[in-house]
Amino acid sequence: GDSVTQMEGPVTLSEEAFLTINCTYTATGYPSLFWYVQYPGEGLQLLLKATKADDKGSNKGFEATYRKETTSFHLEKGSVQVSDSAVYFCALTLMGDDKIIFGKGTRLHILP
Amino acid sequence: GAGVSQTPSNKVTEKGKYVELRCDPISGHTALYWYRQSLGQGPEFLIYFQGTGAADDSGLPNDRFFAVRPEGSVSTLKIQRTERGDSAVYLCASSLIPGQGNTGELFFGEGSRLTVL
Repeated sequence: GDSVTQMEGPVTLSEEAFLTINCTYTATGYPSLFWYVQYPGEGLQLLLKATKADDKGSNKGFEATYRKETTSFHLEKGSVQVSDSAVYFCALTLMGDDKIIFGKGTRLHILP
Repeated sequence: GAGVSQTPSNKVTEKGKYVELRCDPISGHTALYWYRQSLGQGPEFLIYFQGTGAADDSGLPNDRFFAVRPEGSVSTLKIQRTERGDSAVYLCASSLIPGQGNTGELFFGEGSRLTVL
C-alpha cells in the first residue's frame, strides 16, 4: 500500500549546522508530497509541499525537492536554529483522495 | 478562537467505558478530519467529513468507533467499550474547501490524549 518512510530520530545538531531528514515514499499513483512540523505544545502545521516531480517546496529556510526517480522528498536546511527543534513528518496524498498518509516523524533537537 | 479546538486535552478512563472527544473546527471550514496518533507513530487517518456527512470513514478501526458532525461544524468522536489499545492522541483537522486534503492545507488541533487503564 501507499506509505512514507522517514529517518528515525532523534536527530541532535548544533545551532547553524546543516540539516537533512530523509524521506522516501511508495505510492500507487502520482502523489503530492508534504512536510508537516509539530512544535512543542502546538498542533501539526504544514511546513512545505510539492505537487509534481522536480518541484521544490520551501518555507522558513527549509527546502525539499520532489524526486520521482528516487521516490524521495528529503528535507534540508542550511543553518538550523534552536527554534527549529520540533517533530517533522513527511506525508503524501494521492490525486482524488482526501486523506493524508504520514510517516512516523523525526524528532529534531538543536543545541545552542 | 482562531484555531482548531479539541476537548478534553487529556482523558483517562477505565477499560470498557464510553468516551467522547470533541472538535471545534476553524469557523467556516467545511471539511473536518479525525486522525489517531499512537506513541512513536505518525498520525493515522480515521474519518473525513464534508459538511455534515462522513465522506470517508475507511480508517475507523472497528464498530466501537463512531463520529458525528450534525450541524456541519463541531464534531464528536465516540468510542464505546474502550480498550487499552485505544490509548493514543486523537487529532482533529479542518480545511476550508472540501477535498483540500489533497493539497495538504489542513489545520490541526493540539489533540486529545486518551489513556485507557
